[in-house]
Amino acid sequence: DIQMTQSPSSLSASVGDRVTITCQASQDISNYLNWYQQKPGKAPKLLIYDASNLETGVPSRFSGSGSGTDFTFTISSLQPEDIATYYCQQYDNLPLFGGGTKVEIK
Amino acid sequence: QVQLQESGPGLVKPSQTLSLTCTVSGGSISSGDYYWSWIRQPPGKGLEWIGYIYYSGSTYYNPSLKSRVTISVDTSKNQFSLKLSSVTAADTAVYYCAREVPAAVNWFDPWGQGTLVTVSS
Repeated sequence: DIQMTQSPSSLSASVGDRVTITCQASQDISNYLNWYQQKPGKAPKLLIYDASNLETGVPSRFSGSGSGTDFTFTISSLQPEDIATYYCQQYDNLPLFGGGTKVEIK
Repeated sequence: QVQLQESGPGLVKPSQTLSLTCTVSGGSISSGDYYWSWIRQPPGKGLEWIGYIYYSGSTYYNPSLKSRVTISVDTSKNQFSLKLSSVTAADTAVYYCAREVPAAVNWFDPWGQGTLVTVSS
């Protein structure tokens, strides 16, 4: 089974900062990775699919990259409305989500 | 645009069966283009996929829950439902329904708002 390791589990950054979250797979998963944003008390929302494709309507400050085993999710300039928990998701016989990264404002 | 809405009891007694329904609006389950999934999230924890159903009635479940899960579909009502039997406190969670988009790596969009189900006597 493929294991996904998402890090960090939480981070605190200032408005305008560049924020980076990583997701590492235990084996090569090509570009088969999606990213979601979950704001407090809300359902997750798809932001990026196939590692780097921005979902329609998602601000361009969000981006994703990577392939193989190492993936990165970036917020180029953190905004107050970006406070949320972010999850990576892959599919190995069944959908599996990373443990999440809680992003807070410093 | 497609919207999903969960409904069902918010409190279930241990050993009983949890039953939830997801009503889809703005699109037809019968279109055949998507899978229709249930995902849950225990309080303060991460996301766990429960299973999906296709409009034809074919299903696929998480092996860890397979013995207790039944997902069904009612295309006439544009609804799909979840039953989870023999529940314990560990099944306390927010339950989401979501449209699962077939792709190289299937993704979930959109999601329902979620409904909290507490297992307690």
